[in-house]
Amino acid sequence: QKEVEQDPGPLSVPEGAIVSLNCTYSNSAFQYFMWYRQYSRKGPELLMYTYSSGNKEDGRFTAQVDKSSKYISLFIRDSQPSDSATYLCAMSSNTGNQFYFGTGTSLTVIP
Amino acid sequence: DTEVTQTPKHLVMGMTNKKSLKCEQHMGHRAMYWYKQKAKKPPELMFVYSYEKLSINESVPSRFSPECPNSSLLNLHLHALQPEDSALYLCASSQDPGQGTYEQYFGPGTRLTVT
Repeated sequence: QKEVEQDPGPLSVPEGAIVSLNCTYSNSAFQYFMWYRQYSRKGPELLMYTYSSGNKEDGRFTAQVDKSSKYISLFIRDSQPSDSATYLCAMSSNTGNQFYFGTGTSLTVIP
Repeated sequence: DTEVTQTPKHLVMGMTNKKSLKCEQHMGHRAMYWYKQKAKKPPELMFVYSYEKLSINESVPSRFSPECPNSSLLNLHLHALQPEDSALYLCASSQDPGQGTYEQYFGPGTRLTVT
């Protein structure tokens, strides 16, 4: 079983839709959870960073962590064509400096 | 400023060449990372430097040789690469590896093609 599972998609939505991206994980030691956006042929850009369970909102983006279910989500409200990218979840424990990435979900927002 | 810079942006090299990739950050971060990313795959960790010392080497072939001259700079020396080493090479940094893992900031990457 992989440490982190993420549906690779592709996911295609109309402009203005609410997008839900999800990852599940198996290691209960994970404490730090991140979402990255990566445009084609570019480096990953940090979107959201959360510690432990709960919600965090930043503009149109909301990150949600449910440690009891080992499940994290990223919601994008009022999606825009410029949101079209691959979204990677990443997580780590507090005992080392190694990241575990999901495989990434490819998102296309259609104008 | 959360910028990590990488040079060059693109690199084409033959299998007998020696080249180096460079990475720089001025955020005061004490951990720096090299990743390799193939198309439609997540980044794969290669090396981690913590306080300028190599702390993780993910069984990377010796044709890749990392170097951390100081806390702001990270190099990756390349020698006798194979065509399958063609990929996007990403550098990242994070704040304080000794206190748990903070978020990592990535550079734009160097797209390497080995001919």
